[in-house]
Amino acid sequence: EDQVTQSPEALRLQEGESSSLNCSYTVSGLRGLFWYRQDPGKGPEFLFTLYSAGEEKEKERLKATLTKKESFLHITAPKPEDSATYLCAVQAAGYSTLTFGKGTMLLVSP
Amino acid sequence: NAGVMQNPRHLVRRRGQEARLRCSPMKGHSHVYWYRQLPEEGLKFMVYLQKENIIDESGMPKERFSAEFPKEGPSILRIQQVVRGDSAAYFCASSPGASETQYFGPGTRLLVL
Repeated sequence: EDQVTQSPEALRLQEGESSSLNCSYTVSGLRGLFWYRQDPGKGPEFLFTLYSAGEEKEKERLKATLTKKESFLHITAPKPEDSATYLCAVQAAGYSTLTFGKGTMLLVSP
Repeated sequence: NAGVMQNPRHLVRRRGQEARLRCSPMKGHSHVYWYRQLPEEGLKFMVYLQKENIIDESGMPKERFSAEFPKEGPSILRIQQVVRGDSAAYFCASSPGASETQYFGPGTRLLVL
């Protein structure tokens, strides 16, 4: 059974204080690992897809990396508008459905 | 280009009533997925449909739940005889093809009294 574990469950940062969110996974053949952002009362918003170990993707203050067992979402000099829950999901080879972790709730204080 | 549309955004039902949740995928997307998010839980897959076909319903309870995606019109998730435990946020996602990036709608928040 595919499993995704995200840590920490919650993270509080000061504006400008860089940090990383972790996503550990077990999957029977990884097709893709996905990062989404979810604001309260809204649906998940797609951020990145990573397909193979060593791959990195960047968008503004966010950078996602992937190894064979985990992914990191690095947040550089965060701003209050980066406050959200960040979700990690895996898609197994040959399947279309996503298995999600419970998310990391990030709060960035000014 | 409109994103995934879901309606209603909020739905209140009494125990034993039926709930119908609708999802219109993004333009050009023919694959639809339904997920459920319970309080303090992650998103859980329920069902995956393509036009007129159910591809994978392994995450959907066998009783009271059904889904369809007709040739014309939105995908519908139907919950019969709702119980309090059905209270959750239900999200629909769509993709242009199988195994491609899924884009989510705003969700329907179901409250069962």
